[in-house]
Amino acid sequence: KAGVTQTPRYLIKTRGQQVTLSCSPISGHRSVSWYQQTPGQGLQFLFEYFSETQRNKGNFPGRFSGRQFSNSRSEMNVSTLELGDSALYLCASSESPGQGALRGQTDTQYFGPGTRLTVL
Amino acid sequence: AQTVTQSQPEMSVQEAETVTLSCTYDTSENNYYLFWYKQPPSRQMILVIRQEAYKQQNATENRFSVNFQKAAKSFSLKISDSQLGDTAMYFCAFMAGSGGYQKVTFGTGTKLQVIP
Repeated sequence: KAGVTQTPRYLIKTRGQQVTLSCSPISGHRSVSWYQQTPGQGLQFLFEYFSETQRNKGNFPGRFSGRQFSNSRSEMNVSTLELGDSALYLCASSESPGQGALRGQTDTQYFGPGTRLTVL
Repeated sequence: AQTVTQSQPEMSVQEAETVTLSCTYDTSENNYYLFWYKQPPSRQMILVIRQEAYKQQNATENRFSVNFQKAAKSFSLKISDSQLGDTAMYFCAFMAGSGGYQKVTFGTGTKLQVIP
């Protein structure tokens, strides 16, 4: 199976602009999560989508939003970009909806290569 | 809220030697997963190994094995016969196994350098 793909790989924007990042999960995976990675804050959870619904959200301002399509592909949008939004944005997909470890389902997240966003 | 702590920001090991990376976590959950991910300089995050909390047996994947101590909330990664390709950032991660949603909490990472 093809892995998680993210487009674009690199992006340069200026403050105040908005940006849309795309993530295509592994075929058959229905859950997509987004993370922001910066040297100072490390890996921080943004949100998770399953069946076109946002099920969980991290502690990010409302400028960060996302959506998921019926084919499980997901997009993340950041509006009114700030310098501090410069980061590597990682998308991860998983097979099952996280019904519990005891059910033995594979909730493992597989990551894409990321989109490097630079805000000038 | 869950927390994951990696107390070793950087480590180095000679090629072919063994190294252990430490990870502790805090949670009130009883069902959960623990992971070690590797992020080489190319930046692609790769799953190294996974442990289900309900399993007492420590997970192993070739040269990688874990020491899972549930009562102590400790989850260390042992890399045997270290290779140059093991040079990377290693992240310990926690995911609750219930609740019907996925949210992974990562540690701050350990930068491992394998020295020829």
